[in-house]
Amino acid sequence: AQTVTQSQPEMSVQEAETVTLSCTYDTSESNYYLFWYKQPPSRQMILVIRQEAYKQQNATENRFSVNFQKAAKSFSLKISDSQLGDTAMYFCAFRIQGAQKLVFGQGTRLTINP
Amino acid sequence: GAGVSQSPSNKVTEKGKDVELRCDPISGHTALYWYRQSLGQGLEFLIYFQGNSAPDKSGLPSDRFSAERTGGSVSTLTIQRTQQEDSAVYLCASSLGSGRSNNEQFFGPGTRLTVL
Repeated sequence: AQTVTQSQPEMSVQEAETVTLSCTYDTSESNYYLFWYKQPPSRQMILVIRQEAYKQQNATENRFSVNFQKAAKSFSLKISDSQLGDTAMYFCAFRIQGAQKLVFGQGTRLTINP
Repeated sequence: GAGVSQSPSNKVTEKGKDVELRCDPISGHTALYWYRQSLGQGLEFLIYFQGNSAPDKSGLPSDRFSAERTGGSVSTLTIQRTQQEDSAVYLCASSLGSGRSNNEQFFGPGTRLTVL
């Protein structure tokens, strides 16, 4: 069975600071995808960034980047120059190649303070 | 274009009653998914549709839960004889479909179900 673990239930930083959210996962599969989703109070899940396991280069989307360590099964999200609008729940998720369902972690509640 | 829509936004029901939750996927998306998010928890997969068929319904927690999809579009999740532990946010997502290299799932705003 695949599992995703987010060890930080809550985090809080000041605006403009950099914050890193951690995620580890467990699988025996070698081909898979990893995702970070943002869920603001509106409940709408928004894809922030994705990483294919076969790619060694870490994915980057503007202020968001990941540190993907395949051997360690670690997939952390770094948010640079944090903004008030980044306040949300962040979920790490995993999907095996060829499968359809996403497996989610428990989430990290991130608060950006002015 | 329009995103995934779900109705109702909120539903309060009494224990033992049946409820129906509706999902309208993005036009042209052949795959549709239901997830459940209990308070303070991550999302839990319930069922996946490709077209009108459900190749994976492994996440449905009991036989009180069922789902159908008609016309390759709208889906309804039905919970019979609701229990208090069914209280959660039910999220629907859709995607272009299996076999696509980028099969990103787009989520709706969810239905918050409260069973009294």
